[in-house]
Amino acid sequence: DVKVTQSSRYLVKRTGEKVFLECVQDMDHENMFWYRQDPGLGLRLIYFSYDVKMKEKGDIPEGYSVSREKKERFSLILESASTNQTSMYLCASSKSAGAGGYTFGSGTRLTVV
Amino acid sequence: AQRVTQPEKLLSVFKGAPVELKCNYSYSGSPELFWYVQYSRQRLQLLLRHISRESIKGFTADLNKGETSFHLKKPFAQEEDSAMYYCALSPVDSNYQLIWGAGTKLIIKP
Repeated sequence: DVKVTQSSRYLVKRTGEKVFLECVQDMDHENMFWYRQDPGLGLRLIYFSYDVKMKEKGDIPEGYSVSREKKERFSLILESASTNQTSMYLCASSKSAGAGGYTFGSGTRLTVV
Repeated sequence: AQRVTQPEKLLSVFKGAPVELKCNYSYSGSPELFWYVQYSRQRLQLLLRHISRESIKGFTADLNKGETSFHLKKPFAQEEDSAMYYCALSPVDSNYQLIWGAGTKLIIKP
């Protein structure tokens, strides 16, 4: 019963390409998040959204943008991919109240060459 | 500043030995605290939260406000406990953000 689905498990893109990472949740959660996960650095928040069409910058938004046109879908966009954006990207969702109970997707391993 | 510190990047113990994964936090109020776990090739998932005061897979964690700690403990480690463990804090003034520790990789040796 997959509840947060990330469209790709592995992606390889070239430097300068525009990259779209998609995330869909079926739990009617208000909040959605994009993190990158790097060894020794833990999880770093890129962007989050607490409602449709709403977005907030996280700790490392540079080089990224997001889109949330529908409640269930939250897209991460790399405008011009660079090699330092090679990472594991995790999407998560949570309800608006009772914070902390995040549900994560299985992650997208992005390699930029 | 709000911060979660996991002082050990890597912890290696023998099967059957006790395990303690350390988590310290910096927060002026009364936070909610969580432990998340990521097994190899699996998604990150919630292990336990302090308000539940429950034991999951033999793990417990007690919030010590005096020491601002939320250490994760298990009396007898099992090989299947090998995973990446993250401690996280939810500020009471934010109903959606978590502050994450850097994670501890736990390896259980046979």
